[in-house]
Amino acid sequence: QVQLVQSGAEVKKPGASVKVSCKASGYTFTNYDVTWVRQAPGQGLEWMGWISANNDNTDKAQKFQGRVTMTTDTSTNTAYMELTSLRSDDTAVYYCARMGSYYSDSSGFQYYFDYWGQGTLVTVSS
Amino acid sequence: SYELTQPPSVSVSPGQTARITCSGDALAKQYGFWYQQKPGQAPVLVIYKDSERPSGIPERFSGSSSGTTVTLTISGVQAEDAADYYCQSTDSTDYYSVVFGGGTKLTVL
Repeated sequence: QVQLVQSGAEVKKPGASVKVSCKASGYTFTNYDVTWVRQAPGQGLEWMGWISANNDNTDKAQKFQGRVTMTTDTSTNTAYMELTSLRSDDTAVYYCARMGSYYSDSSGFQYYFDYWGQGTLVTVSS
Repeated sequence: SYELTQPPSVSVSPGQTARITCSGDALAKQYGFWYQQKPGQAPVLVIYKDSERPSGIPERFSGSSSGTTVTLTISGVQAEDAADYYCQSTDSTDYYSVVFGGGTKLTVL
């Protein structure tokens, strides 16, 4: 069965960086992209970006441009998300998810997320 | 980028039908997807491509689309359906950025 297992909770000081891992199993890792979504306490879901596990192409939400790096390691079927210059409002649960897509000439690409990791709580506090 | 608008909350009694709407201009051309999230858990995909149901999702969950609105319908609501529900789509005018609605808290009375 498809599983995405994320690394454990982290506590960081403002200005530091955090790197979250997401180990995939139960499917061919390079056949799907991986997306990252975060959720601040009591808030909704916020998309951060995605990375192709096949060719490392990425796309990131404008809000995170310059601060987030997404990578993959196909030898271990693991995706990584690193967020730098952490602030208190980066405190959130960070999720990875397997991303599927549809394409049509009229609508272009459409993305969805069919399997999710369990989430990693990142707390930023001085 | 565009927004997806959901009602903050919906309440129904067990056995009744719950309808959660999601509105946004791009939904006229883009598919809507729905996720269920229970407290302390990761989201789960319950509807894709407006109205398709993934395997393992109960038949009481259904979806529909009309114009710029997609609707998640839960027929015969059960206590276990209490959760937050998020719609999601893709903004093809903004280099395919992903957009989530603000979420709707479903309360089963």
